[in-house]
Amino acid sequence: RKEVEQDPGPFNVPEGATVAFNCTYSNSASQSFFWYRQDCRKEPKLLMSVYSSGNEDGRFTAQLNRASQYISLLIRDSKLSDSATYLCVVPPGGGNKLTFGTGTQLKVEL
Amino acid sequence: DTGVSQDPRHKITKRGQNVTFRCDPISEHNRLYWYRQTLGQGPEFLTYFQNEAQLEKSRLLSDRFSAERPKGSFSTLEIQRTEQGDSAMYLCASSQGVSNEKLFFGSGTQLSVL
Repeated sequence: RKEVEQDPGPFNVPEGATVAFNCTYSNSASQSFFWYRQDCRKEPKLLMSVYSSGNEDGRFTAQLNRASQYISLLIRDSKLSDSATYLCVVPPGGGNKLTFGTGTQLKVEL
Repeated sequence: DTGVSQDPRHKITKRGQNVTFRCDPISEHNRLYWYRQTLGQGPEFLTYFQNEAQLEKSRLLSDRFSAERPKGSFSTLEIQRTEQGDSAMYLCASSQGVSNEKLFFGSGTQLSVL
C-alpha cells in the first residue's frame, strides 16, 4: 500500500455543488494531517490542518477516520476559484518527511 | 512579507552539466526542505535541514544530488552530471518550530535537461 493515496480526478463539478475527496494513508502512527491547495504552475499552500476532532473553515470541512486510515475534504457551495489540485499530506510517525499524495484535481464549471 | 524565494525560476541545461539552485527561506524559520515535483505528481521529499544540520535525506536521492545550508540560512541544491530524468520543478519550503506544520513553499525552480 502506498504511503498516501488519492484519486487524481479530475472532478468536474458545477458551481454551487458539494464535492468530497478522500485520501488514504498507510502509517497508523501518523498523528496530524494536512490538506494543501496547489494552483496550476504555482507552489502548494496550506489549506487546512486535520486533527482527530476534524476541522471546519467556512465552506471547507476536513475529517479524519483513524480506524479506516483516511482523511476527507468536503467543499460546499463550490466556487470557480476553488478549481485547483488538492494535496493530502501525511507526516511520518517519526522523522521529518512530510509525504504528499499525488493530488486530486478539481474543476468547478459554470 | 518576504516569503521563501528561489533562484533561478527556470534553468535549461544540457545533459551532463552541473546545476545549482538557491533557496532563501523565511528569515526566522529554522527548518528547510527540498522537494521535487513532476507533472501530475505531488511533491516528492528530497532532504530536510534543521538549522545547518541535514537531518534527513531521501533514499531516492542519488549521489549526484547534494544540498547544503552552511549557516542555517539559505540553502543550495546541486545536481551533478544532470540527466533528462532530473527535469522537474524543484521546490524549497521552510517552517518554524518543532512540528511539521505549515510549510511555506517558494515558487520553485523549473529544471529542463535537454
